[in-house]
Amino acid sequence: GQNIDQPTEMTATEGAIVQINCTYQTSGFNGLFWYQQHAGEAPTFLSYNVLDGLEEKGRFSSFLSRSKGYSYLLLKELQMKDSASYLCAVRDGDYKLSFGAGTTVTVRA
Amino acid sequence: ETGVTQTPRHLVMGMTNKKSLKCEQHLGHNAMYWYKQSAKKPLELMFVYSLEERVENNSVPSRFSPECPNSSHLFLHLHTLQPEDSALYLCASSQDLGENYGYTFGSGTRLTVV
Repeated sequence: GQNIDQPTEMTATEGAIVQINCTYQTSGFNGLFWYQQHAGEAPTFLSYNVLDGLEEKGRFSSFLSRSKGYSYLLLKELQMKDSASYLCAVRDGDYKLSFGAGTTVTVRA
Repeated sequence: ETGVTQTPRHLVMGMTNKKSLKCEQHLGHNAMYWYKQSAKKPLELMFVYSLEERVENNSVPSRFSPECPNSSHLFLHLHTLQPEDSALYLCASSQDLGENYGYTFGSGTRLTVV
């Protein structure tokens, strides 16, 4: 089966930086996705990595190392609205996404 | 509004009831998905449709029955559910299977089986 691990919870202060790690062991690899999900709302797409390296998009960056089966999502200049669950997902074949259980990030003033 | 609309938002049903969840997208996407999200657990893929044809049936109990009458609509018919089926049911769509921009999710139906 697929195994995707990420921390359950993280807490950080407004204006700080938080790094959410994701490790995966899957039968195949065809890209890694990060989603943000606010309580009671739909998950929304944040980033996609298929090659090694860092992808930056505003305050959010995502990194991938395929050889290590590792990714992280970096949230900079944290804002209260960034309090949410962050889901790591791996596409292990043509189209199927396998998800981690999500990391709940709480931003405190 | 995410572009994918799910109704109802909340549903409470008895174990002997029959109900249906509805998902609608007008994004011109060709692929649609049902996921189950239980507390503190990863999203579980249930069904995948591409161009109205089911391409994935992920060992889901027969008390869940999907229907895709056209590329814009997806249903999940429920009957004789169990309390452990209580969860958030998410519908998603994508332009095609395997495209790189991920899915567009609906806000989900929060199902409680009593």
